[in-house]
Amino acid sequence: GNSVTQMEGPVTLSEEAFLTINCTYTATGYPSLFWYVQYPGEGLQLLLKATKADDKGSNKGFEATYRKETTSFHLEKGSVQVSDSAVYFCALKGGETSYDKVIFGPGTSLSVIP
Amino acid sequence: DTGVSQDPRHKITKRGQNVTFRCDPISEHNRLYWYRQTLGQGPEFLTYFQNEAQLEKSRLLSDRFSAERPKGSFSTLEIQRTEQGDSAMYLCASSRSYEQYFGPGTRLTVT
Repeated sequence: GNSVTQMEGPVTLSEEAFLTINCTYTATGYPSLFWYVQYPGEGLQLLLKATKADDKGSNKGFEATYRKETTSFHLEKGSVQVSDSAVYFCALKGGETSYDKVIFGPGTSLSVIP
Repeated sequence: DTGVSQDPRHKITKRGQNVTFRCDPISEHNRLYWYRQTLGQGPEFLTYFQNEAQLEKSRLLSDRFSAERPKGSFSTLEIQRTEQGDSAMYLCASSRSYEQYFGPGTRLTVT
């Protein structure tokens, strides 16, 4: 079945460092891919999405490109801030089975220190 | 748009008791989802409603779990004869088309 794998955390970075969180997926067909973020004490929020191969999702300085050839959707940000400290979830939806549910990875915790 | 709300936010219960959670979706969102999230894991899909019809249920949803969405508005998730393994965060999400909007969750602790 469909699944998502992402790099284990926790990740600790200094402010203004470059961030990469790796995400790979297994799916039949052509799923849509997402990154969700969960700030401390808050609910899940959609950070960005990409619906087809080679699409680039971007939001709040974060970017991720849908790479079908490597089945990857790595999250990047050029300069992280303390306020980016959160748990980041890579996720997919749809594909050949066209189910409406979202399948999440295990999450990667990010801590940014001043 | 007041967002998805869930009640209660926290619930502590003794093993064997029944619990019920409520989710109020964003108004006019016809799709509603329940997920379960355990510590250190991503959310796992439980069930999905389109309007009042329950269209999909995960195998995670044992016979002790039941969900309803009368009149296609709010939804309830009931767990009967709770077990310690039911301790988790229960998340509700709603959508009108593509993006799912998540509520803050109900944290269940079974002692």
